[in-house]
Amino acid sequence: KQEVTQIPAALSVPEGENLVLNCSFTDSAIYNLQWFRQDPGKGLTSLLLIQSSQREQTSGRLNASLDKSSGRSTLYIAASQPGDSATYLCAVDLQGAQKLVFGQGTRLTINP
Amino acid sequence: DTEVTQTPKHLVMGMTNKKSLKCEQHMGHRAMYWYKQKAKKPPELMFVYSYEKLSINESVPSRFSPECPNSSLLNLHLHALQPEDSALYLCASSQVGPYEQYFGPGTRLTVT
Repeated sequence: KQEVTQIPAALSVPEGENLVLNCSFTDSAIYNLQWFRQDPGKGLTSLLLIQSSQREQTSGRLNASLDKSSGRSTLYIAASQPGDSATYLCAVDLQGAQKLVFGQGTRLTINP
Repeated sequence: DTEVTQTPKHLVMGMTNKKSLKCEQHMGHRAMYWYKQKAKKPPELMFVYSYEKLSINESVPSRFSPECPNSSLLNLHLHALQPEDSALYLCASSQVGPYEQYFGPGTRLTVT
């Protein structure tokens, strides 16, 4: 059974810092990995999708990497801003089955 | 336009009521999903529709009845729910296959 773990569960940093969120998964037979952000009581916003054949994806201040062999992905956020405060979730798609398995999320707080 | 809409935003219902949640997308996606999210937990997949046919049912109790009347609409019919069914219900859509999923804002359901 695929398990997805995100460490740390919560992170608080001052504004302007660069930071890294971690995601690990137990089964390397994934089709893709998707990073989302969720604001309290809201839906999920897709940030980046990395296909299994890719090593990284970039969007603005965000960069996501994928290492299938080690079962790890990281989300790098550059020059953090208070508006980046949210819960960040990673999810893997098992063998293209359209079944996303989510990690527990990292609750990020950026302090002004 | 990458918008998925959901109505209503909030719903309070008694255990003997019948109600429906509605989801709509106009991105031409042929896969649509229902997820359930309890407080401080990640979303859990309930149902997947591909080409308007139910392709995945994650052993969801029969008091939840999904319906996909056309390629743009997805409904979730609710009947005889329990208080533990109170949660945020999220709809998502994507192209069929391991593609990026786009989520709606959710319906906050409270069962009294």
